[in-house]
Amino acid sequence: SQQGEEDPQALSIQEGENATMNCSYKTSINNLQWYRQNSGRGLVHLILIRSNEREKHSGRLRVTLDTSKKSSSLLITASRAADTASYFCATGHSSNTGKLIFGQGTTLQVKP
Amino acid sequence: DAEITQSPRHKITETGRQVTLACHQTWNHNNMFWYRQDLGHGLRLIHYSYGVHDTNKGEVSDGYSVSRSNTEDLPLTLESAASSQTSVYFCASRAIRGSNQPQHFGDGTRLSIL
Repeated sequence: SQQGEEDPQALSIQEGENATMNCSYKTSINNLQWYRQNSGRGLVHLILIRSNEREKHSGRLRVTLDTSKKSSSLLITASRAADTASYFCATGHSSNTGKLIFGQGTTLQVKP
Repeated sequence: DAEITQSPRHKITETGRQVTLACHQTWNHNNMFWYRQDLGHGLRLIHYSYGVHDTNKGEVSDGYSVSRSNTEDLPLTLESAASSQTSVYFCASRAIRGSNQPQHFGDGTRLSIL
């Protein structure tokens, strides 16, 4: 069964605006990862946040994790047309299995 | 630069035929994964391998098989292709076992089964 559920499914904003995507999951995790997928390409890893972390930054990306609500958010600040892509959250559960479970993704369109 | 390459990028075949999709990585990663991506389902894990001669079933393994004879390659075989297996297939690799590591993806194979 799918672990990550993402919201919204699609988002359209103007260049320069901030974009926020949310991910909810059902069972306990040891980490949560965000990936980007450009049209016709594979997924690219953006950022990983561990279950004992609450916030993490990487350039224009800010990820938060609330384990009590089983949710995470990805904020892209000062968006650019090149940020147009699909964004996926993926949850990792234990180092024994090492598998990731991916959500269905949020499609972001940034209009120039 | 190290990379992960999938071939072919596009393939059209007929139901009942055997199809093999190639995945080759030069990262020297022990862990390799095959996913399929379909609208409304996101990415679903088909098979994965933690090293040479190791293979494991994922969430949607029926009708698929893999073998791992060396570190670099994990070919995915559809023994008798079915129309329900029309999808985009992604291969990924990871340095070490442990979900707290990023996965590196190829650019996918778009497979159409008529």
